Amino acid sequence: KAGVTQTPRYLIKTRGQQVTLSCSPISGHRSVSWYQQTPGQGLQFLFEYFSETQRNKGNFPGRFSGRQFSNSRSEMNVSTLELGDSALYLCASSLAGATGEYYGYTFGSGTRLTVV
Amino acid sequence: DAKTTQPNSMESNEEEPVHLPCNHSTISGTDYIHWYRQLPSQGPEYVIHGLTSNVNNRMASLAIAEDRKSSTLILHRATLRDAAVYYCILVPVQGAQKLVFGQGTRLTINP
Repeated sequence: KAGVTQTPRYLIKTRGQQVTLSCSPISGHRSVSWYQQTPGQGLQFLFEYFSETQRNKGNFPGRFSGRQFSNSRSEMNVSTLELGDSALYLCASSLAGATGEYYGYTFGSGTRLTVV
Repeated sequence: DAKTTQPNSMESNEEEPVHLPCNHSTISGTDYIHWYRQLPSQGPEYVIHGLTSNVNNRMASLAIAEDRKSSTLILHRATLRDAAVYYCILVPVQGAQKLVFGQGTRLTINP
């Protein structure tokens, strides 16, 4: 079966611009999470969506936002880009249910964002 | 979030067993011990998880200490493709809507 698909794979943006990243989860997975990976901070949780609702949010500024559609596909948006937003953005999907029980995550290969 | 402690790096030789340790002294009774690994240029990949008993799957084995304050991921016969960063993560049974990654252990496999 198809894995988690993230588009685009690479992106270069200028400071001050905004960017939208897309994630298509594994079919049947209703939970989608986003993570940021940088050399300095490692892998950090951004937010998690389940059935179009954000259930959990990490410690990131309001410039980082996301949404989930009825088909479970998700997008994350970063506005007013800063140089420090350059990172690998990873999406993960899970069978996690309505009460948050854990079934393991499958990650995509990520979108490499470079802000210049 | 309960924390885990892992060595920054380890090195082993191809076709030899590898034992990757993880300390989690503040683990709670409802935390599962999970291992993920991240190969170069890829997202993390689930390896194995357990609660109290040792676990085996096609990728690896997980040995959990009796007091659950530490665990060891065992790769029985390392290959070059096992070179990756390995993360030990505690995941609550319920309400687990995020993974808290530490710095992990960078495993190098020598041919």
